[in-house]
Amino acid sequence: AQTVTQSQPEMSVQEAETVTLSCTYDTSESDYYLFWYKQPPSRQMILVIRQEAYKQQNATENRFSVNFQKAAKSFSLKISDSQLGDAAMYFCAYRSAMNRDDKIIFGKGTRLHILP
Amino acid sequence: GAVVSQHPSRVICKSGTSVKIECRSLDFQATTMFWYRQFPKQSLMLMATSNEGSKATYEQGVEKDKFLINHASLTLSTLTVTSAHPEDSSFYICSARVGTGNQPQHFGDGTRLSIL
Repeated sequence: AQTVTQSQPEMSVQEAETVTLSCTYDTSESDYYLFWYKQPPSRQMILVIRQEAYKQQNATENRFSVNFQKAAKSFSLKISDSQLGDAAMYFCAYRSAMNRDDKIIFGKGTRLHILP
Repeated sequence: GAVVSQHPSRVICKSGTSVKIECRSLDFQATTMFWYRQFPKQSLMLMATSNEGSKATYEQGVEKDKFLINHASLTLSTLTVTSAHPEDSSFYICSARVGTGNQPQHFGDGTRLSIL
């Protein structure tokens, strides 16, 4: 079974600085998707960034980028120029691309604090 | 973008009451919808996968007679918590997806259920 591990329950970063959230996963599949979701205090789940495992190029979305290391099964999220609005719970997630059972498996989350 | 509406956003009711939560895809047809439960400061746990016109697939440990799921149309899935008790109090989130493959899941805003 696939698992997603986020080893940092909480992190803090100074506003305008850069922070990296860690995520590792375990799977025997070769084709899958990886996601980072943001859950602010409003509790809405917001997709931050998505990576397809067959793509070697790291995904980027404005200030958000990932470091996808497929061999190491690592998928970290880098937030540049941190803003107060980035404060939230961040979940790393995995979804298989190889079967019809495409449920998302979430990590336990990392709570990110932005210090003004 | 794809919008998923979840209603109600907050429910407070007495023990023994049955509560229905609706999940609607507003601008797309969702062949598959997912229901998650989230305890305070924890991750999302998938409860069941709902496919339009067929029975829901429940995750291990989720009582299907307790959590009734109906996906009668391509834009609506409902979760009914039957004879709710205080231990059913939680945050429930639905998501919806178009088709298969690399289409992302779109999340509703969640429903906070409090059973007195």
